[in-house]
Amino acid sequence: DVKVTQSSRYLVKRTGEKVFLECVQDMDHENMFWYRQDPGLGLRLIYFSYDVKMKEKGDIPEGYSVSREKKERFSLILESASTNQTSMYLCASSLRQGEEYFGPGTRLTVT
Amino acid sequence: RKEVEQDPGPFNVPEGATVAFNCTYSNSASQSFFWYRQDCRKEPKLLMSVYSSGNEDGRFTAQLNRASQYISLLIRDSKLSDSATYLCVVNRYTGNQFYFGTGTSLTVIP
Repeated sequence: DVKVTQSSRYLVKRTGEKVFLECVQDMDHENMFWYRQDPGLGLRLIYFSYDVKMKEKGDIPEGYSVSREKKERFSLILESASTNQTSMYLCASSLRQGEEYFGPGTRLTVT
Repeated sequence: RKEVEQDPGPFNVPEGATVAFNCTYSNSASQSFFWYRQDCRKEPKLLMSVYSSGNEDGRFTAQLNRASQYISLLIRDSKLSDSATYLCVVNRYTGNQFYFGTGTSLTVIP
C-alpha cells in the first residue's frame, strides 16, 4: 500500500517567515509533485521532480523553491511567506508512467 | 485554453439515479487518463484509470474518446457515499506532468 506522508496537517505562520513543508513516500517512486489547491481554482502544480536533485517548475513556481536530496523526500520551501500563499498544499508521488498518490495535505495559514 | 476542462456542477441527484460526468482535454498527445475522487477536506484518491477500450468497476464505468478528446465517468445506482468531487486527470508522460480538471461536485440526496 502506497503511503505518502506530509510533515504537518495544519500550520500557521507569520508573513515573512521561511516555511518548510516536507513530504515522504515509501514506494520508491521516481516522480514527486507539490500542488496547491484553492476553491474554484482546483489543483495547481507548483514544482515537480522526476529524480533525485532534479526539479521542474510547474504552473505557479513563483515564491516557492524545492529540494530533493533523497528519492523518498521532496521538500517545498516558502522563502518569505505571504498571505496569498494561504492554501492547502498537497504532495504526490508516482511511478514514471503511473497514477499519482497523494499525501493528506497541509493546510497553511499565513497571517 | 485549459489542458483539462470539466463542468463544475454541482450535480444533485437522488439515490439510485444514474449520473454522468464528461471531461475534455486539449492536447492530443495525452497518453493516460484517470478519474480521482476527493472528499471534503481530504486528499484526492484514485477512483479508476481510463483505458482506450473503456472499463468498468462495479457501478462505475469510464470511457475514453480519443477522436473527440473527452473522457467520461458514469455512476449507476448512486449511493449517498458517492457524494464527493470527481477530478479528471490526464498525463502526457513527456515532462511527467499530470493535468487536473477543477472537479465536478456530486451530491446524492436521500
